[in-house]
Amino acid sequence: GDSVTQMEGPVTLSEEAFLTINCTYTATGYPSLFWYVQYPGEGLQLLLKATKADDKGSNKGFEATYRKETTSFHLEKGSVQVSDSAVYFCALSDQGGGADGLTFGKGTHLIIQP
Amino acid sequence: NAGVTQTPKFRVLKTGQSMTLLCAQDMNHEYMYWYRQDPGMGLRLIHYSVGEGTTAKGEVPDGYNVSRLKKQNFLLGLESAAPSQTSVYFCASRPPGLNFLGGANTGELFFGEGSRLTVL
Repeated sequence: GDSVTQMEGPVTLSEEAFLTINCTYTATGYPSLFWYVQYPGEGLQLLLKATKADDKGSNKGFEATYRKETTSFHLEKGSVQVSDSAVYFCALSDQGGGADGLTFGKGTHLIIQP
Repeated sequence: NAGVTQTPKFRVLKTGQSMTLLCAQDMNHEYMYWYRQDPGMGLRLIHYSVGEGTTAKGEVPDGYNVSRLKKQNFLLGLESAAPSQTSVYFCASRPPGLNFLGGANTGELFFGEGSRLTVL
């Protein structure tokens, strides 16, 4: 079946550091890929998405590129802020949006220190 | 601009008690989901529904029941709560896989804010 693997952390960085959170996946066909963010005490919010190979999703300074050849969707940000502290989830959806929802990674807890 | 609303936000139960979590969405979405979130486990699917009157089991359905009597509501029930059901529960919704033009929707889920349940 489908699966998503991501580094669990916690990942601790200083403000203005460069961020990479790795995400790799296993799926048949051409899934859609997502990054969700969960701020403390809140639900999950969509951060960015990509629906086909070589697409780049971007939002709030974060970027991720859909790499079919390496089955990866790594999240990057050039200069993190304290307000980026959160849990980040990589997820995929079956090609065409399967009914049984998204497959999630276990989440990466990111801590940004001033 | 409510989106997906869950009630209650917090609840403490004793072992063996029953309760129901309510999820309501105002986006006219066909599909609805219940997940649980546990440390180190990510999100795991409990049950889901692809339309009014239909439900299906997810990855961890044991100990839970669900009902979808109205399109906008999806209820999650615990008949006899156990400490292992202490968790944060999230409801989510989305439109179906294909849109009205026959094109594919991406499968993006819209989440509620979560319900924290503690079973003593």
